[in-house]
Amino acid sequence: DTGVSQNPRHKITKRGQNVTFRCDPISEHNRLYWYRQTLGQGPEFLTYFQNEAQLEKSRLLSDRFSAERPKGSFSTLEIQRTEQGDSAMYLCASSLGPRNEQFFGPGTRLTVL
Amino acid sequence: GESVGLHLPTLSVQEGDNSIINCAYSNSASDYFIWYKQESGKGPQFIIDIRSNMDKRQGQRVTVLLNKTVKHLSLQIAATQPGDSAVYFCAEIIGTYKYIFGTGTRLKVLA
Repeated sequence: DTGVSQNPRHKITKRGQNVTFRCDPISEHNRLYWYRQTLGQGPEFLTYFQNEAQLEKSRLLSDRFSAERPKGSFSTLEIQRTEQGDSAMYLCASSLGPRNEQFFGPGTRLTVL
Repeated sequence: GESVGLHLPTLSVQEGDNSIINCAYSNSASDYFIWYKQESGKGPQFIIDIRSNMDKRQGQRVTVLLNKTVKHLSLQIAATQPGDSAVYFCAEIIGTYKYIFGTGTRLKVLA
C-alpha cells in the first residue's frame, strides 16, 4: 500500500453514461497525476496538478474528460458520454515535489459495455 | 516521438537464477529513470531509480545499469524469487514530472 487510494476499484458502465473516479493522494504531496493504462501497455500520462492548479493536459485527454482538484487534496476524473475505447485502468499518482518519485494508487478499472 | 520500449515482452527464469530486463529509451535529454514493478490488479510500485550522472545503482537484490551512449537501461534481479513475478516497466522522466513508460516485460519465475 503506497498511501494513494482510488475509488471505485472497478466500474462497469454502459456506453454513453458518465463516470467519475476519485483519487486521494498521500496527504503531504502537492503534486497529483492521472494516467491511463491499457492491457499490456505502460501507463500513459493524462494530466498533472500542482496543488489545485491543473498545469498540463495530454492530448489524450479529449473534451469528454475533465479532472479537478478543488482544494489541492483529492482529485476527481470525470468521463462524459463514455465510449468502449475508454475501457482501461485509470491510475492516480502523487509526489512530494518536482523530481521526486511518483507513488501510484491501485487504479480504477473501467469497463464500458 | 519520444518513446521508451522494452526488448522482451516475456522473460521466464528459474527460481534462484538472476534476471535481466532491458529497456531502450529515445530521449537523450532525459536525466532520470525509474524501474517499476506492477503486480496484477495493483498500481506500479517503485523499485529503483538512477540519474544520468551515474552508470550503476544497487539496491537490495536489484541493480540498474544505465548506458547513455546507446540509450539503454537494464534491471538486474539477483536470486529471482516467485514474488518477483510481475510486469516490469522502465520510465523515462522528462523535465520535472512527465513520466514516459515503456510497454513492459512480464517476468515469470519458474519453480
